[in-house]
Amino acid sequence: DTEVTQTPKHLVMGMTNKKSLKCEQHMGHRAMYWYKQKAKKPPELMFVYSYEKLSINESVPSRFSPECPNSSLLNLHLHALQPEDSALYLCASSQIGFSGNTIYFGEGSWLTVV
Amino acid sequence: KQEVTQIPAALSVPEGENLVLNCSFTDSAIYNLQWFRQDPGKGLTSLLLIQSSQREQTSGRLNASLDKSSGRSTLYIAASQPGDSATYLCAGPAGGTSYGKLTFGQGTILTVHP
Repeated sequence: DTEVTQTPKHLVMGMTNKKSLKCEQHMGHRAMYWYKQKAKKPPELMFVYSYEKLSINESVPSRFSPECPNSSLLNLHLHALQPEDSALYLCASSQIGFSGNTIYFGEGSWLTVV
Repeated sequence: KQEVTQIPAALSVPEGENLVLNCSFTDSAIYNLQWFRQDPGKGLTSLLLIQSSQREQTSGRLNASLDKSSGRSTLYIAASQPGDSATYLCAGPAGGTSYGKLTFGQGTILTVHP
């Protein structure tokens, strides 16, 4: 099983709403990631969790708040977003510790901020 | 800082042709390089990962090569099919790590017409 599952697939939220994106993997991977992808652009890293601890934050605004409750789950809490935050949000996971770590992506959550 | 470039930006070929997609990177200390496929509105599907100690990897009709000294990787697709139409992305980890922050190229949009 090489599946990363993301919910919801689509989310529309107002600028004053609070919502969350969820991600789950059961591959025993100890690194999990959030990427953001705008139309016709490649994905850009937002956060990396290693062993359930935040290891990389790419200077993401505080209106995005990641959480890793356990080794299989990753959440992205959203609050007071702006219309320019509308994008495809991709979760990914991988092993840690050797040079052949394939990174597996989920299908993404399409976020529209109105 | 790792920079990744892909050429061509778009490619249109008739069914049955063999084709080559190119990827170049600036940091030769790369641990691995991964090729992905992305269908419109979908997440990324991992195609092949080449470790720095390898020169080639093959999966079915796909063959990827890696030349660290020249900073290049190629993805060869044999006997192309309309189902191969997608955006192809190459990516490598930044900062001398084997995982974590992936730096993506801008992608090659491939169209295979019947």
